[in-house]
Amino acid sequence: DAKTTQPTSMDCAEGRAANLPCNHSTISGNEYVYWYRQIHSQGPQYIIHGLKNNETNEMASLIITEDRKSSTLILPHATLRDTAVYYCIVRVGGNFNKFYFGSGTKLNVKP
Amino acid sequence: GAVVSQHPSRVICKSGTSVKIECRSLDFQATTMFWYRQFPKQSLMLMATSNEGSKATYEQGVEKDKFLINHASLTLSTLTVTSAHPEDSSFYICSAREEVTYGYTFGSGTRLTVV
Repeated sequence: DAKTTQPTSMDCAEGRAANLPCNHSTISGNEYVYWYRQIHSQGPQYIIHGLKNNETNEMASLIITEDRKSSTLILPHATLRDTAVYYCIVRVGGNFNKFYFGSGTKLNVKP
Repeated sequence: GAVVSQHPSRVICKSGTSVKIECRSLDFQATTMFWYRQFPKQSLMLMATSNEGSKATYEQGVEKDKFLINHASLTLSTLTVTSAHPEDSSFYICSAREEVTYGYTFGSGTRLTVV
């Protein structure tokens, strides 16, 4: 699976959009981009995933560059409860494929 | 949505004893489950892949005789930490793959403290 690079930490003001970048320059054509987050002392929570097109759900939007070498997770209106470590993972879809977690980005949402 | 239940959430055990952690998929079947370990301020490290009805496969460097995995049914996988030592103290998390959507759902984790 391709390696990802994320900033160690980011700050965001409550109510503002949080934009979390992820570089995955060695991504292969059949690898998806997944985003999970982990709130302190809990298991990771699925946020969103995509292959080529931008995706949006009730939690966030995922913007993938045309060359697929990077992506951005957007939380449109961050709240204090969005404070967490956000992990960007790239992996091949389908059966029996594992998730390997990188170091992630600690997002601090401040009042 | 899919729910994975992990039990216990916290456990304290004496050095040299064994501890069993359960991971259950509550509303879906999971032929494949994964076990992770997370030390403080570190990321999740994949330990092993649990396959229903067959032997688990372990990541490089993980002792299979120390971390016994059993996946006897489509909804239950167990991780037993044998002869636990203080260095095994960690946060253990399981994940199950839902067969229809192929989505991965994580349990809430087990905090193991070996004294």
